[in-house]
Amino acid sequence: DAGVTQSPTHLIKTRGQQVTLRCSPISGHKSVSWYQQVLGQGPQFIFQYYEKEERGRGNFPDRFSARQFPNYSSELNVNALLLGDSALYLCASSLRAANPNLGNNSPLHFGNGTRLTVT
Amino acid sequence: EDKVVQSPLSLVVHEGDTVTLNCSYEVTNFRSLLWYKQEKKAPTFLFMLTSSGIEKKSGRLSSILDKKELFSILNITATQTGDSAVYLCAVVGTGNQFYFGTGTSLTVIP
Repeated sequence: DAGVTQSPTHLIKTRGQQVTLRCSPISGHKSVSWYQQVLGQGPQFIFQYYEKEERGRGNFPDRFSARQFPNYSSELNVNALLLGDSALYLCASSLRAANPNLGNNSPLHFGNGTRLTVT
Repeated sequence: EDKVVQSPLSLVVHEGDTVTLNCSYEVTNFRSLLWYKQEKKAPTFLFMLTSSGIEKKSGRLSSILDKKELFSILNITATQTGDSAVYLCAVVGTGNQFYFGTGTSLTVIP
């Protein structure tokens, strides 16, 4: 089975432009999360989606948006790019929903990420 | 504020050494603690811990959680060059959100 797949692998944009990153989860996984990882730091939570609904949002500006499609794939959009948006953007999928009433979490399974460089 | 702190930030050892990586946390509504290994891109899952005092083991790697003192350790025995990576600790809290530490960069010298 394929793991989490992300595209593109690398992207170079200039300040002010917009970017769309794509992610396909592991087959059978309904929850997709997005993380931003700046060099030398751990991944920072951006969004979590389950069954096409946003279930969590990290401390990121409104320039960041996302959505999940009926096939559970997801897109992350970033508008009005800033130099500080340069990072590795990781997508992760998991079996469990973002429902605190469910049992223990299943682990996140990460894709290889999209390396975004803003110049 | 929820936070996860890992130490040391970096570590250089020789092959065959044993290392201990630390992770302390302050996270609301703790659900679980996970360890990941990140070599170049995708972090890969190592362990998930939910109960205190129960050691999880996989080959030369082992990990244990102390929920009273709010920390976990990851041990690697007989280190090999292939163990060189960044080791990330993540804690799951309110709303099943994952909080990651900054990681420990491990370099194993032949």
